[in-house]
Amino acid sequence: DGGITQSPKYLFRKEGQNVTLSCEQNLNHDAMYWYRQDPGQGLRLIYYSQIVNDFQKGDIAEGYSVSREKKESFPLTVTSAQKNPTAFYLCASSGRVVTDTQYFGPGTRLTVL
Amino acid sequence: AQSVTQLDSQVPVFEEAPVELRCNYSSSVSVYLFWYVQYPNQGLQLLLKYLSGSTLVKSINGFEAEFNKSQTSFHLRKPSVHISDTAEYFCAVSDWGAGGTSYGKLTFGQGTILTVHP
Repeated sequence: DGGITQSPKYLFRKEGQNVTLSCEQNLNHDAMYWYRQDPGQGLRLIYYSQIVNDFQKGDIAEGYSVSREKKESFPLTVTSAQKNPTAFYLCASSGRVVTDTQYFGPGTRLTVL
Repeated sequence: AQSVTQLDSQVPVFEEAPVELRCNYSSSVSVYLFWYVQYPNQGLQLLLKYLSGSTLVKSINGFEAEFNKSQTSFHLRKPSVHISDTAEYFCAVSDWGAGGTSYGKLTFGQGTILTVHP
């Protein structure tokens, strides 16, 4: 089955620690995205990548980093510089045409203890 | 810059009643519009989208939305809801007038929680 996988589903981390969230897709999509979801705020774009080895900051990139070494993978690192990292993180992918639908993974819920 | 406003954060309704979830957007260029649905602790699924052509678009499970350019709205409607429609619904906009640099970049509204009561 084609789709997007995110792991882990739940993640706990202590303050001051970096943590990496995994996102893998087998849809052969060029573009991939990371969103953060907080209650009552909708989804906000963290980073996006339109092609391998290239990515751009979204609206709330501070305290996050990404890499895009392979077409199917787009990991997100939440660094200790992120002030309020507790949230639900969603990865998405799409084709390169503006009318293409974004498909979402099941999400990772990160809790900072 | 584009923005999306969903006018109701929560909409309670009884089963088999009609429902409308409101969405307004602002953008300086032409847009594409989307409605996504999210069930608890899951990712988002596309419900329907407006790209061009007929301003009324429909989903396979009975929802429909109408693009109104003069009112910059894209409200979602269903004539008779079911318990299984209980979920959070997100309106989103993607503009295509920015020289191709922002393709696929969606701006989301704050979400509307639809709760269907028996």
